[in-house]
Amino acid sequence: SQTIHQWPATLVQPVGSPLSLECTVEGTSNPNLYWYRQAAGRGLQLLFYSIGIDQISSEVPQNLSASRPQDRQFILSSKKLLLSDSGFYLCACILGTGNTEAFFGQGTRLTVV
Amino acid sequence: QKEVEQNSGPLSVPEGAIASLNCTYSDRVSQSFFWYRQYSGKSPELIMSIYSNGDKEDGRFTAQLNKASQYVSLLIRDSQPSDSATYLCAVGDNGSGNTGKLIFGQGTTLQVKP
Repeated sequence: SQTIHQWPATLVQPVGSPLSLECTVEGTSNPNLYWYRQAAGRGLQLLFYSIGIDQISSEVPQNLSASRPQDRQFILSSKKLLLSDSGFYLCACILGTGNTEAFFGQGTRLTVV
Repeated sequence: QKEVEQNSGPLSVPEGAIASLNCTYSDRVSQSFFWYRQYSGKSPELIMSIYSNGDKEDGRFTAQLNKASQYVSLLIRDSQPSDSATYLCAVGDNGSGNTGKLIFGQGTTLQVKP
């Protein structure tokens, strides 16, 4: 079965600092990968998704970017964090073609201060 | 704007009772529907998926889908205190082909009281 690794688990960063969150997947190849954000008391919002290496689609205009340099690696970045970037960041994976069920990593709780 | 609506709750039920969680969605062409359980401070965990009208049972959980009414529900039989969590309804977004994107509701908080 697949395993999704996300790190770090928690992060406190000052406003204006850069960000890099990493997600790696084991046990599968050519997965669809997603970054979701969950703000306090709110539902999950899709930020980016990727169906293959270097193929990134952005869902909402924002201060963040994503990259997929390898098949099973998905990175979320920012050059300068804003207070509004605080939230629970979740990486999700769908296993290959024809599957529809998404599984989540453990998440990174980001607090921008 | 495609939307998924859930009552935020909290829904409070006694231990051993049936908990009924409801969800409506706006996109008529949606084909895939999911229920996730999220404990406080943790990531969502997939508990049920359903694609066809009718009922789908898995242990104490039953998902029900009515595409004509754009309605999905989750029944939890013999509710246990360990079922206390937020339940997220998610609907597959078919707008851009089979990308696997999901639209989530805000979640319903379930409290099972001993």
